[in-house]
Amino acid sequence: DVKVTQSSRYLVKRTGEKVFLECVQDMDHENMFWYRQDPGLGLRLIYFSYDVKMKEKGDIPEGYSVSREKKERFSLILESASTNQTSMYLCASRGGVGTYEQYFGPGTRLTVT
Amino acid sequence: GIQVEQSPPDLILQEGANSTLRCNFSDSVNNLQWFHQNPWGQLINLFYIPSGTKQNGRLSATTVATERYSLLYISSSQTTDSGVYFCAVGTNAGKSTFGDGTTLTVKP
Repeated sequence: DVKVTQSSRYLVKRTGEKVFLECVQDMDHENMFWYRQDPGLGLRLIYFSYDVKMKEKGDIPEGYSVSREKKERFSLILESASTNQTSMYLCASRGGVGTYEQYFGPGTRLTVT
Repeated sequence: GIQVEQSPPDLILQEGANSTLRCNFSDSVNNLQWFHQNPWGQLINLFYIPSGTKQNGRLSATTVATERYSLLYISSSQTTDSGVYFCAVGTNAGKSTFGDGTTLTVKP
């Protein structure tokens, strides 16, 4: 079974703090994704990565950066957290060409106060 | 980009009833998934079904790619089926587009 894990289920941070959200997958997948989910707005793609050290902006990258130094790990960084970044953050991974099934981690509920 | 529309947005059923959820999409796709979001927020994979029909227990799904829609059938619904059901579609380019979901409530 594919397993995608996220570093925290719940996180509370203060405005202005630097926040790291970690995601690890164990299936040697090339592609990894970060989404945020907000009531009424559905799932929105923040960033994705199709290989180590490669990244592409999604639909809402502003205020976020990412890091992929190893194939199994994809980090989402909030450089200076703001209250409008309070959300549910979901990480996903997917294999390469011909294997398009996406698998999600359990999610991190981030509250910025 | 691709537009994804799910219907109905909300569905309330009595336990034991059957239901059909629909996903329409605006362009050709080569991947389509159905997910169930559980009460803790995790998205659980139900089906990867870019075309054809699949069944898994009480759930089945059909995608008619040429007509740009997919259906998820839930038979003999149980209270544990409650939650939000999402359809996600995509192309080789890598990104998936999610619908807004159908919120299913199954009453005992």
